Amino acid sequence: AQKVTQAQTEISVVEKEDVTLDCVYETRDTTYYLFWYKQPPSGELVFLIRRNSFDEQNEISGRYSWNFQKSTSSFNFTITASQVVDSAVYFCALTYYGQNFVFGPGTRLSVLP
Amino acid sequence: EAQVTQNPRYLITVTGKKLTVTCSQNMNHEYMSWYRQDPGLGLRQIYYSMNVEVTDKGDVPEGYKVSRKEKRNFPLILESPSPNQTSLYFCASNQGGLGTEAFFGQGTRLTVV
Repeated sequence: AQKVTQAQTEISVVEKEDVTLDCVYETRDTTYYLFWYKQPPSGELVFLIRRNSFDEQNEISGRYSWNFQKSTSSFNFTITASQVVDSAVYFCALTYYGQNFVFGPGTRLSVLP
Repeated sequence: EAQVTQNPRYLITVTGKKLTVTCSQNMNHEYMSWYRQDPGLGLRQIYYSMNVEVTDKGDVPEGYKVSRKEKRNFPLILESPSPNQTSLYFCASNQGGLGTEAFFGQGTRLTVV
């Protein structure tokens, strides 16, 4: 069975601090895809990034970066110089063929001014 | 604009009164799904459909029905709602295939009293 764990339920930081959101996954599949979604206070789910199991290259996009480590089954997400607009719930998710996404419980990030 | 549209956004109903939440996508996606979001549990899949007339149970299907008579529409039916079905519901669609991202509707907040 597949499982995604996000051990941090809530994190609070002050604006401009860096923050890392942890994601640990379990799967028996050798091919799989990992995602991060953002849910701002307005409630919609916004796609942030996708990474496949064969590509362990870390990625940076502006203030966002992702660290995928297959050896530890982790796919962590770092926000550099956080801003108030980053306040949201962040979900890590796992899928193989897209018919079923397995989501973690989410991490609520509060960025205080 | 590419989108997944759910209606209604908010719904309060009484136990046992049948209701339908509609979902429509305009991206010609093969796959559609319903998820429910509960605090501390993330999103859990209720049902999914890989094509017209093809549906299957997700992780929490009890108390729900779906149908896929047209490619663009995937309604969620609660024949006899109960208070434990009070939740935030999301419809999603994706093209299908390895690692395709899911596009989510705006969410429907359902309260059953």
